[in-house]
Amino acid sequence: AQSVTQLDSQVPVFEEAPVELRCNYSSSVSVYLFWYVQYPNQGLQLLLKYLSGSTLVESINGFEAEFNKSQTSFHLRKPSVHISDTAEYFCAVSETGANNLFFGTGTRLTVIP
Amino acid sequence: EPEVTQTPSHQVTQMGQEVILRCVPISNHLYFYWYRQILGQKVEFLVSFYNNEISEKSEIFDDQFSVERPDGSNFTLKIRSTKLEDSAMYFCASKTDTDTQYFGPGTRLTVL
Repeated sequence: AQSVTQLDSQVPVFEEAPVELRCNYSSSVSVYLFWYVQYPNQGLQLLLKYLSGSTLVESINGFEAEFNKSQTSFHLRKPSVHISDTAEYFCAVSETGANNLFFGTGTRLTVIP
Repeated sequence: EPEVTQTPSHQVTQMGQEVILRCVPISNHLYFYWYRQILGQKVEFLVSFYNNEISEKSEIFDDQFSVERPDGSNFTLKIRSTKLEDSAMYFCASKTDTDTQYFGPGTRLTVL
């Protein structure tokens, strides 16, 4: 069975500062990895995903995540955050070819002006 | 851009009552899901549905829960007799045969 650990429940950061949201997973099989973002009072939106190929994946709004198989991690980074990045970020994993997603407990990113 | 929609956005019900949460998946999608998120906790998988039958379900999805695709567009989650602990945000998701699930905005269920 898979599991996902997001150690940081809350991350406050000043505007234009860099941020890293940590995600570690455990699985005995190959996995796909995802980051979803949930803005206040909205649903989950896919931010980026790793399925195969390059271990560094990027989103259109400046976030990136790197799949590290040896460390079983998929940390999310952004070099300079904006106020609009304030949201809850969920890391998720699924077995390759499987149906359901396993989510972490989420990290609330708060960008301080 | 097509999106998953859910109705209602907020449902308040009395304990023991039946509720039906509705979802309209993206039109060409083949796989459908329900997840729930109890306040302050992680998003949890409930059930997946493909080819008009349940393909996988979690331990949470007991006999009080059922899903249905009554027509070509809707996908519903029914809770037969709601309990206080069913209070949560319920998310519907859908996908094609790729691996990216697209989520709806959720229905907040409050059981009193």
